[in-house]
Amino acid sequence: GQQLNQSPQSMFIQEGEDVSMNCTSSSIFNTWLWYKQDPGEGPVLLIALYKAGELTSNGRLTAQFGITRKDSFLNISASIPSDVGIYFCAGRSNYQLIWGAGTKLIIKP
Amino acid sequence: NAGVTQTPKFQVLKTGQSMTLQCAQDMNHEYMSWYRQDPGMGLRLIHYSVGAGITDQGEVPNGYNVSRSTTEDFPLRLLSAAPSQTSVYFCASSSPGGVQYFGPGTRLTVL
Repeated sequence: GQQLNQSPQSMFIQEGEDVSMNCTSSSIFNTWLWYKQDPGEGPVLLIALYKAGELTSNGRLTAQFGITRKDSFLNISASIPSDVGIYFCAGRSNYQLIWGAGTKLIIKP
Repeated sequence: NAGVTQTPKFQVLKTGQSMTLQCAQDMNHEYMSWYRQDPGMGLRLIHYSVGAGITDQGEVPNGYNVSRSTTEDFPLRLLSAAPSQTSVYFCASSSPGGVQYFGPGTRLTVL
């Protein structure tokens, strides 16, 4: 079946650093989505990408839909303490979403 | 706006008990789905529905039943709970091809 590889699994960074994470797939997707999950909460959408090559920003977050339609990355610039959480990518080829395993972001004090 | 609501927030069951996790949305979304989330893993699809009266199996459907009698509600039934079903369960809804909105989750422990 379809699989998504999300990396890294976790990141320890200093406040103010930039963060980069990515997802790759063996399958082509029509949509890439990036979600963030805070402890005890459901995932919340950060950015949605609908076209190959699309580059979209949401504040300090930037995400791109890869040209091959098999990958996507998310960048966070100048990280702040409230950025901690788990970030998930998800790809859609029909009604169903295929999810990455998540990237846990931890900010070192 | 309530969005997607789930009840209960927490539940403890004994092995063999049955129960229903409730999910409701007030956004008139056609598409609803149930996921489970286990430590270190992404979200795995249990069952989904593309409209009232229509349901289908996802990646991990065994041990769970669903029904969709109305657009708003999509309950998930555990027929005979097992410790392997200890997890956090999320319900989500969306319009066709649209973004999924998630509920706050139900944390289930099966002893």
